[in-house]
Amino acid sequence: SQQGEEDPQALSIQEGENATMNCSYKTSINNLQWYRQNSGRGLVHLILIRSNEREKHSGRLRVTLDTSKKSSSLLITASRAADTASYFCATDGENRDDKIIFGKGTRLHILP
Amino acid sequence: GAGVSQSPSNKVTEKGKDVELRCDPISGHTALYWYRQSLGQGLEFLIYFQGNSAPDKSGLPSDRFSAERTGGSVSTLTIQRTQQEDSAVYLCASSLGSGGPRPYNEQFFGPGTRLTVL
Repeated sequence: SQQGEEDPQALSIQEGENATMNCSYKTSINNLQWYRQNSGRGLVHLILIRSNEREKHSGRLRVTLDTSKKSSSLLITASRAADTASYFCATDGENRDDKIIFGKGTRLHILP
Repeated sequence: GAGVSQSPSNKVTEKGKDVELRCDPISGHTALYWYRQSLGQGLEFLIYFQGNSAPDKSGLPSDRFSAERTGGSVSTLTIQRTQQEDSAVYLCASSLGSGGPRPYNEQFFGPGTRLTVL
């Protein structure tokens, strides 16, 4: 399975600190995405990084990808209370009909 | 334009009854996905449509679950003879699908249907 697995399962940090979440996967991928989910409802796409990219930035988000280690990290800098959510990585296989597979997520809690 | 919509937003049913969940994807999106999420858990893939066909039904947990998509648009997920363990949030997502001009596999999610089986 190409499924991503996030680590840690849960993370609590103080507001203003940086939060780092990791994702590992098993098979070769076309790209990897990170999503956020608030309140157990719909997910929101954050960022996509392709297999030939190593790092990508979007606002306070920084994503890295190491295909040799089959891992990715999501860094949220200067965390805010509104960042409290679950974060999922999703991997897309190399084959045309491959579906996107989500990991189980990291629950991030920003403490005031 | 409108995002992905799902109906109903909440459904409470009695054990043994059938339920139908509906998903309206973003217009023009050829790929459609159904997921199930139990409380505090990750997303469990159920089924994936490319157009009207379902190349991957591997996630359907039992033969009580079925899904169809007509006209390459609206999809319905049907659960027959519901059981208490079917209680979960059912999420639908759509994407441009293979060959799209942009990151086609970015998925756009609906708000979900919260199903409670008593």
